[in-house]
Amino acid sequence: GAGVSQSPSNKVTEKGKDVELRCDPISGHTALYWYRQSLGQGLEFLIYFQGNSAPDKSGLPSDRFSAERTGGSVSTLTIQRTQQEDSAVYLCASSSGGARGTEAFFGQGTRLTVV
Amino acid sequence: GESVGLHLPTLSVQEGDNSIINCAYSNSASDYFIWYKQESGKGPQFIIDIRSNMDKRQGQRVTVLLNKTVKHLSLQIAATQPGDSAVYFCAENLYGNNRLAFGKGNQVVVIP
Repeated sequence: GAGVSQSPSNKVTEKGKDVELRCDPISGHTALYWYRQSLGQGLEFLIYFQGNSAPDKSGLPSDRFSAERTGGSVSTLTIQRTQQEDSAVYLCASSSGGARGTEAFFGQGTRLTVV
Repeated sequence: GESVGLHLPTLSVQEGDNSIINCAYSNSASDYFIWYKQESGKGPQFIIDIRSNMDKRQGQRVTVLLNKTVKHLSLQIAATQPGDSAVYFCAENLYGNNRLAFGKGNQVVVIP
């Protein structure tokens, strides 16, 4: 597609359930990021994938959070046993990677509400 | 935690006036900075970037200024329009791996 696509756009789940959020990056982009944005707040880094390198997971807030990137393209962010504090907009971005300092393009985000 | 912060949470500006949004960063090793605009319900959108070997960069109606001495970044919007109403984030490239650290954002409200 022309841009970064995320699905679903909205997700309401019950506390304790698992959720999966999907990101389709821009074709050919080797770098992929997940960020979390709470209401009225900035973007909190979660995880970063670059090509075939081991992902940078340093931003994941707990072991309930995990992410995969299959075939160097689509990524799935999984949150297990969701808690109310997980409610936020989850944003995915991709960039062409390579040399340092490359613009990241963001998707529209998935708004997660845990009730 | 975040190393990038903004001075003002909300900026109200009259349509047609110029806007200035400020940002402080703490990592002197950061060498790439981006300004993003986020409209309600949308993901952040790239506005302009600047590398640390530059002090100033201009785009269409926007100018970014970088003062490495005091680790300060600003975004100037000329002739602000209603469509400029949004939250503006500065971001810095930390650790040299394309990971971006974002500030908390600055709401700009354009008054018609």
